[in-house]
Amino acid sequence: GQNIDQPTEMTATEGAIVQINCTYQTSGFNGLFWYQQHAGEAPTFLSYNVLDGLEEKGRFSSFLSRSKGYSYLLLKELQMKDSASYLCAVRVGNNRLAFGKGNQVVVIP
Amino acid sequence: ETGVTQSPTHLIKTRGQQVTLRCSSQSGHNTVSWYQQALGQGPQFIFQYYREEENGRGNFPPRFSGLQFPNYSSELNVNALELDDSALYLCASSTHEGGTQYFGPGTRLLVL
Repeated sequence: GQNIDQPTEMTATEGAIVQINCTYQTSGFNGLFWYQQHAGEAPTFLSYNVLDGLEEKGRFSSFLSRSKGYSYLLLKELQMKDSASYLCAVRVGNNRLAFGKGNQVVVIP
Repeated sequence: ETGVTQSPTHLIKTRGQQVTLRCSSQSGHNTVSWYQQALGQGPQFIFQYYREEENGRGNFPPRFSGLQFPNYSSELNVNALELDDSALYLCASSTHEGGTQYFGPGTRLLVL
C-alpha cells in the first residue's frame, strides 16, 4: 500500500517563508513530485526530486531524504497568489503517482 | 505547444447512468493517466493507458473503463454511476519513459 502524509492546513503572512512537509511509505519509489492546486483547478507541476538533496527553482525549493522517507517544499517571499493546496506525490511503478491529501496554505496580508 | 485538454468541464448525471469523459494529451506525450479527486482529498489513480492498452490500474471496480486512441487521446467511461462517483476527474499526460505528468483542467462530475 501507499501512505503519504502531509499536514492539512497552515497559515502564513505575505512575504514570509513556509515549509510544507511530506512523509511517505510506499511500495516502490521512483521520484517525488510537488504540485500546486488552486481551488477547483488542475494540479500544476512545481518540482521533482529523485536523488537526496535540495532542488531550487526561483521562490520554490524542494528537499528529499530517501532514507527517511521525507520531503519538504519551501516557499519563500510568500505572495497572496500562493494561497493554494500543495500536493506531495510519489511515483510508484508504471509511472503512476500516489498523492497525499494536500496541504492547504492560506496567505494573509 | 498545446497542453492537456478535457471535456466536458462539468457534468450532472443521475444514479445508474453512464458517463464518458474525454482527454487530449499534450503534444509529444504518448501516455495518459486518469485520476479521481474527491473534495478535500488528493487525486487517486484510476488507470493508465499506453499504446492503446491499459498499463496499470488502481483500486477501482471494473465499471470504470477506458480507451486510448492512435492520436494518444483517451476516454474514461463509468457505468452504473453511484453517488460516491461525484468528484473531479483529472487526466494527465506524460512520456512513457517516466516523464513528469501534466494535468488537464478536469471534469467535475456530480451524480444525483
